[in-house]
Amino acid sequence: AQKVTQAQTEISVVEKEDVTLDCVYETRDTTYYLFWYKQPPSGELVFLIRRNSFDEQNEISGRYSWNFQKSTSSFNFTITASQVVDSAVYFCALSEGGATNKLIFGTGTLLAVQP
Amino acid sequence: DTGVSQDPRHKITKRGQNVTFRCDPISEHNRLYWYRQTLGQGPEFLTYFQNEAQLEKSRLLSDRFSAERPKGSFSTLEIQRTEQGDSAMYLCASSHTGTGPLAEQFFGPGTRLTVL
Repeated sequence: AQKVTQAQTEISVVEKEDVTLDCVYETRDTTYYLFWYKQPPSGELVFLIRRNSFDEQNEISGRYSWNFQKSTSSFNFTITASQVVDSAVYFCALSEGGATNKLIFGTGTLLAVQP
Repeated sequence: DTGVSQDPRHKITKRGQNVTFRCDPISEHNRLYWYRQTLGQGPEFLTYFQNEAQLEKSRLLSDRFSAERPKGSFSTLEIQRTEQGDSAMYLCASSHTGTGPLAEQFFGPGTRLTVL
C-alpha cells in the first residue's frame, strides 16, 4: 500500500535558521513520483517540486533543497535561511502514476518562522 | 486569472441538505481531480476525470456523493443529505496529460463546507 509519513507535526524556528522537513514514503512500485506542496494560510496548495524514482539527484532551487534517498525511502526538504514568508503547512505527496496519477499526501508539517 | 477556480469558497448548510460545488480547471487541462481535506490532515483523493470520463472513484466517495464533468471542462461535486462528517475543505486540481506522470497538479482555492 502507498503511504506518506511526515512525522514532524509542527516546527518552530527563528528567522534565518535552516530547517529540514522529513518525508518517508512506502510503495511497492519501482516507478513512482514524489512531490512537495506548500499550503500558506490562504489555503491554496502551491507546487514546489517533483521527482521520479529514477532520479536520485538532489536539487537546489534558491533557498530550497531536496534530498531524495531511495535506500531509506525518504524525500526530505530543507529551507536555508528561513524567512517569515516560509511559514506554511508543507505536504509531501506520492504518486504511482498509472492511469490517474492521483496524489497520496502526508499529514503535513506546520512550519512557523518567528521574526 | 488563468488558475483553477472554485465556487463557492465557503458553504454553510444544515444537516440533510444537498450542496453542489463547481470547479473550473485551467483551460485545456484534460485531467481533473477532487480531493477532500479535513483539519490537520493532508488532502485525500476523491475522484478523477479525464476529459468527461470519470475514471476512478475513491472508497471515500459514498453513494451520497456524485461528480460530473459533462463537457470535459468544468466539474461539479454534489453531496446529498449532508452529514456533519462531510465538513471539510473540498479541493479541485487539474493537469495536462501531455506532460505525463510527472504532470504538476494545479490546485484551486477550495470550497470550505460546514455542516451544522
